[in-house]
Amino acid sequence: DSGVTQTPKHLITATGQRVTLRCSPRSGDLSVYWYQQSLDQGLQFLIQYYNGEERAKGNILERFSAQQFPDLHSELNLSSLELGDSALYFCASSGPTGGHTNTGELFFGEGSRLTVL
Amino acid sequence: AQTVTQSQPEMSVQEAETVTLSCTYDTSESDYYLFWYKQPPSRQMILVIRQEAYKQQNATENRFSVNFQKAAKSFSLKISDSQLGDAAMYFCAYMRNNDMRFGAGTRLTVKP
Repeated sequence: DSGVTQTPKHLITATGQRVTLRCSPRSGDLSVYWYQQSLDQGLQFLIQYYNGEERAKGNILERFSAQQFPDLHSELNLSSLELGDSALYFCASSGPTGGHTNTGELFFGEGSRLTVL
Repeated sequence: AQTVTQSQPEMSVQEAETVTLSCTYDTSESDYYLFWYKQPPSRQMILVIRQEAYKQQNATENRFSVNFQKAAKSFSLKISDSQLGDAAMYFCAYMRNNDMRFGAGTRLTVKP
């Protein structure tokens, strides 16, 4: 168990709909990352938050948005869904930069599998 | 932006044999981390091994070891005494300042 919790584990919805994926990082971790993994593909970096602020942005579509709340949990919002958005969405967390607890490792949740029909 | 390249989409190894997975990366930085993650059919991302760039000694974790060539920007993973449970996708990753980027992955098949 990585300590990172993602909900829901599975989600099936229709094109044009909107969904929210939720992530609770490991206790004490300040950074949250979102990755998208389409079928048999690598992990595409979407966005990173650090202590509530956006830190880095990758290949995230304008239809997607995210935020990190004061309690450090994060949500990824996907709107106007298309068939191609079907994927496994991973959340990961890491410790504070430069801190002794920072091992340079990301701890991954089990992912949220989104199916768009 | 840093890029990570895994040039072997698929690899196969006989059980109990040794296999090496390749990874190269591009960076102008001198301080960073490198990782190998394993993704079995369950799709869970599992850390296999990590290497700090400032350490010259290659990391080792039981049957897993790396060959880290900093000047060549190469970071290969050697799996010794391969087991059926090693069958998975393996991703090489580069991290600096908590920004982690992944390669496309290598699918490893282990033959009994």
